Amino acid sequence: SAVISQKPSRDICQRGTSLTIQCQVDSQVTMMFWYRQQPGQSLTLIATANQGSEATYESGFVIDKFPISRPNLTFSTLTVSNMSPEDSSIYLCSVAVREGLGTDTQYFGPGTRLTVL
Amino acid sequence: KQEVTQIPAALSVPEGENLVLNCSFTDSAIYNLQWFRQDPGKGLTSLLLIQSSQREQTSGRLNASLDKSSGRSTLYIAASQPGDSATYLCAVRQGDYKLSFGAGTTVTVRA
Repeated sequence: SAVISQKPSRDICQRGTSLTIQCQVDSQVTMMFWYRQQPGQSLTLIATANQGSEATYESGFVIDKFPISRPNLTFSTLTVSNMSPEDSSIYLCSVAVREGLGTDTQYFGPGTRLTVL
Repeated sequence: KQEVTQIPAALSVPEGENLVLNCSFTDSAIYNLQWFRQDPGKGLTSLLLIQSSQREQTSGRLNASLDKSSGRSTLYIAASQPGDSATYLCAVRQGDYKLSFGAGTTVTVRA
């Protein structure tokens, strides 16, 4: 298993500003992801955070808006840039952990609840 | 593109009743399927993972079945308790670690 922490747990921000969310894992993991959950909706993958190289973004998400860093195998940050009220969401960090017999289980952090005014 | 659907969207039952949550997906070429629980305003807790080669997985009062050819999974929760009240999400993984999520079923267990 994996224990994931995120900071901050929640924040209220003004439009036009930026917020950086941190994700820390208690063990080294290869695969780390960032998801967004907009109010009343399910989760959407933003990007895969790659250690030592640029993140891989999903359709509809761009690096200028959601820059991601992955300096090592236990830590990543997601920045939400130039925020607007439409960015109000829960942002979740996730990791994939191999747990015997080729099973890869995904674990999620507690999320960061962002409100943009 | 993989589409994941969960029915019903919401469910309310009296304590002690068994729960049946359904998940369907459009592309049967999956690697595995995972059921999660989400409490209000919180992150996701992994409940069960079924590999594509498996038919079911059990953990305590929870049992999940998978029929890959028909694109369906069912989560059974026996003898429901008020503490089971939460939103249950199913997610399918295809070869590249990306998960496609359903919209969830919100369960309320009445004491």
